[in-house]
Amino acid sequence: EVQLVEWGGGLVQPGGSLRLSCAASGFNFSASWMTWVRQAPGKGLEWAAHISPDGGKTYYVDSVKGRITISRDNAVNSLYLQMNSLRTEDTAVYYCVNQGGMDWGQGTLVTVSS
Amino acid sequence: DVVMTQSPLSLPVTLGQPASISCRSSQSLVYIDGNTYLVWFQQRPGQSPRRLIYDVSKRDSGVPERFSGSGSGTDFTLKISRVEAEDVGVYYCWQYTQWPHTFGQGTKLEIK
Repeated sequence: EVQLVEWGGGLVQPGGSLRLSCAASGFNFSASWMTWVRQAPGKGLEWAAHISPDGGKTYYVDSVKGRITISRDNAVNSLYLQMNSLRTEDTAVYYCVNQGGMDWGQGTLVTVSS
Repeated sequence: DVVMTQSPLSLPVTLGQPASISCRSSQSLVYIDGNTYLVWFQQRPGQSPRRLIYDVSKRDSGVPERFSGSGSGTDFTLKISRVEAEDVGVYYCWQYTQWPHTFGQGTKLEIK
């Protein structure tokens, strides 16, 4: 059974930092492109960041470039999202998603507010 | 960026009746390998999205046969042959042919 479990969300002040983690199991993680998708409260889905299987290629939506870094550790089947200089508009549930959108985690809520 | 436009955005349907959602892309979604990376997701209230259809028309394991996907190039459709109560939720199309990957705005299906 595929499992994607995210954690690390919480309340942070504008300008602050947060690191999200996602533990993956039940599929070949080291061969899978991985994605972080976010969803602001009551809004639609937004693709945020994407990483190649070996971690050598990363892609970001324009609104997070320079502030957010996606990374992975294939040795422990984990995906990460380092979020810096957070803004109120980054408030969202962040989902860990595997290749092709096949499986999603339960999401972790990030709230940026003073 | 590829813009994905869904219609309608709200879809009231009577139980047992068919439903259809359109998704149009601003550019062709045919990749250089000949595949078209167009996906449909269902998000039930309070749940994570679930993939229903991938590569335009391939149904995921466990997805009821009443769901079907079709289309090509820039024009795609998700059809539900007979809507059931458990189909209530928001449906999204998503393309991952071109960077950045983009979603449609979502179509909210509700029961009349």
